[in-house]
Amino acid sequence: AQSVTQLDSHVSVSEGTPVLLRCNYSSSYSPSLFWYVQHPNKGLQLLLKYTSAATLVKGINGFEAEFKKSETSFHLTKPSAHMSDAAEYFCVVSHGSGNTGKLIFGQGTTLQVKP
Amino acid sequence: NAGVTQTPKFQVLKTGQSMTLQCAQDMNHEYMSWYRQDPGMGLRLIHYSVGAGITDQGEVPNGYNVSRSTTEDFPLRLLSAAPSQTSVYFCASSTSYNEQFFGPGTRLTVL
Repeated sequence: AQSVTQLDSHVSVSEGTPVLLRCNYSSSYSPSLFWYVQHPNKGLQLLLKYTSAATLVKGINGFEAEFKKSETSFHLTKPSAHMSDAAEYFCVVSHGSGNTGKLIFGQGTTLQVKP
Repeated sequence: NAGVTQTPKFQVLKTGQSMTLQCAQDMNHEYMSWYRQDPGMGLRLIHYSVGAGITDQGEVPNGYNVSRSTTEDFPLRLLSAAPSQTSVYFCASSTSYNEQFFGPGTRLTVL
């Protein structure tokens, strides 16, 4: 069975410093993995996705994530945080092999960016 | 393209009332899903559909019904609302080869 664990419920960084949001997954299949972002009172926006191509995935707004099969991790990083990055971030795995239309979400990490 | 649309944006119900949350997409996506979002729990899958006439249960289906008579529409019905169903509901759609696109959400309060 698939599952996702986001290791931090809340991360606080200063503007201009690096961001690291940690995610571990469990999957019986070769997984499709995603990071979504949700700004306050907004819907969900896809940041990036991994679907068994390159292990280092680049997304929007300077974010990237590295798929590490040996560590079952898919951590999200950004070299320099911006105030507009403050939001909730979800690590997500697609249930089953490939894109099945069913997603399993982590609990979410709230990113706070301090001036 | 309007993408994924949901109505209403906000709704207040009394315990025991029934209602239908509407979801429509204009991208000809075969997959559609309903999720609920509760604080500290991420999003949880309620029901999903892989095409018109085909639906299946997700992680938290109790108290909800769905049907999919057309590719475009995927309504979610609350049969007898309970306070535990107070949540934000998101509808999503996708094809078999791309990511899911989410609607703006419906915020439901059950008193």
